[in-house]
Amino acid sequence: SQTIHQWPATLVQPVGSPLSLECTVEGTSNPNLYWYRQAAGRGLQLLFYSVGIGQISSEVPQNLSASRPQDRQFILSSKKLLLSDSGFYLCAWSAFTGNNQPQHFGDGTRLSIL
Amino acid sequence: AQSVAQPEDQVNVAEGNPLTVKCTYSVSGNPYLFWYVQYPNRGLQFLLKYITGDNLVKGSYGFEAEFNKSQTSFHLKKPSALVSDSALYFCAVRDMDSSYKLIFGSGTRLLVRP
Repeated sequence: SQTIHQWPATLVQPVGSPLSLECTVEGTSNPNLYWYRQAAGRGLQLLFYSVGIGQISSEVPQNLSASRPQDRQFILSSKKLLLSDSGFYLCAWSAFTGNNQPQHFGDGTRLSIL
Repeated sequence: AQSVAQPEDQVNVAEGNPLTVKCTYSVSGNPYLFWYVQYPNRGLQFLLKYITGDNLVKGSYGFEAEFNKSQTSFHLKKPSALVSDSALYFCAVRDMDSSYKLIFGSGTRLLVRP
């Protein structure tokens, strides 16, 4: 069966520090991958998605970036964090076979910026 | 513009009573619809989907949803609520402009009283 892993689960970082969040998927090949941010336990904001290695689509211009160095690895990065980057970051994957497939989510990283 | 609306921020129901969480959508063409549940500090879990066929879709944990094309609705239901059903529920629809993406509603918090 397929599994998705995100780490770390929680992170506290000072303003201006760099960020690297990692997400990996097991048990499937060529998944579509997604990064979301959830503020205040409510709505989801799609940040990036990827349909293949090295292919990244950005949804919202900001000081975050994403990379997909391997088929099942998705990384969210920042060179200098802002206070507004605080939130709950969720990684998700969906099968590449057809657009009727659900997305499956990891358990998230709660990021606090001090 | 495509959109998903969850008109209720919170739904309160007594344990053992039926529950309904409402969702309406606006897309061009035939919609692909999804329901997710989120427990505190966890990622979203896929409950069920409607793609085509029978308007009543059954999913995980005893939940079901009814697709109504004329009312553009996809309400989530359960005949008998459990306290453990208390969580945040999200409705989503496939983005017709980009089949890789989902458009999520703002979420409805379900509180089941013992």
